[in-house]
Amino acid sequence: QSVLTQPPSASGTPGQSVTISCSGTTSNVGANFVYWYQHLPGAAPRLLIYASSQRLSGVSDRFSGSASGTSASLAISGLQSGDEAEYYCAAWDNSLNAYVFGSGTKVSV
Amino acid sequence: QVQLRESGPGLVQPSETLSLTCTVSGGSVSSGGYYWSWIRQPPGERPEWIGYVYYGRGTSYNPSLKSRLTLSVDASKSLFSLRLTSVTAADTALYYCARGGGNGKSLYHLDFWGQGTLVTVAS
Repeated sequence: QSVLTQPPSASGTPGQSVTISCSGTTSNVGANFVYWYQHLPGAAPRLLIYASSQRLSGVSDRFSGSASGTSASLAISGLQSGDEAEYYCAAWDNSLNAYVFGSGTKVSV
Repeated sequence: QVQLRESGPGLVQPSETLSLTCTVSGGSVSSGGYYWSWIRQPPGERPEWIGYVYYGRGTSYNPSLKSRLTLSVDASKSLFSLRLTSVTAADTALYYCARGGGNGKSLYHLDFWGQGTLVTVAS
């Protein structure tokens, strides 16, 4: 089964920047928009980025998304303790006819 | 602000049927353009998309669950439902409902989520 691959963890000190990668294939990331979700412990997942690079209204401009070819990335600048969470990328997969999520990246500050 | 809330039994016997409902407030399940979706996350694993129901147009199911799955919507009660038959321990997960957008087939974003409900399959 096609999967979206993310690094298991990323970390930084307050104020630093981190970038999370999302590696896919030509049937998902390479063909469709990518979406990024933040999942805080005990809370519902929260959509941060849609259409690969668009920030949802109300999301801090410290979060930015980009995509090229079969890879996408989420950058978080000016890290804050409140950014500690699991982050997932997602995209529609044309071969599977399913919405697929990445393996998740735990960000520590 | 749209709010979603999952409800259903927290424990299901193996081989039985898992039934969950998602009640929507602050919006209508019969509003056009929305893909009312279910997602689950087994302990320690990534989220898995289960499927969506689009009021008046039909459903789309994850092929891995399609043979056991039925999604439906009841606009009069402002809710949508999930029914998964012949469950096993592998169906143990935190089940979420969410509102999504799409293009008629492909799902795009999931912008409003419920808090999730834990379902354990065990005897």
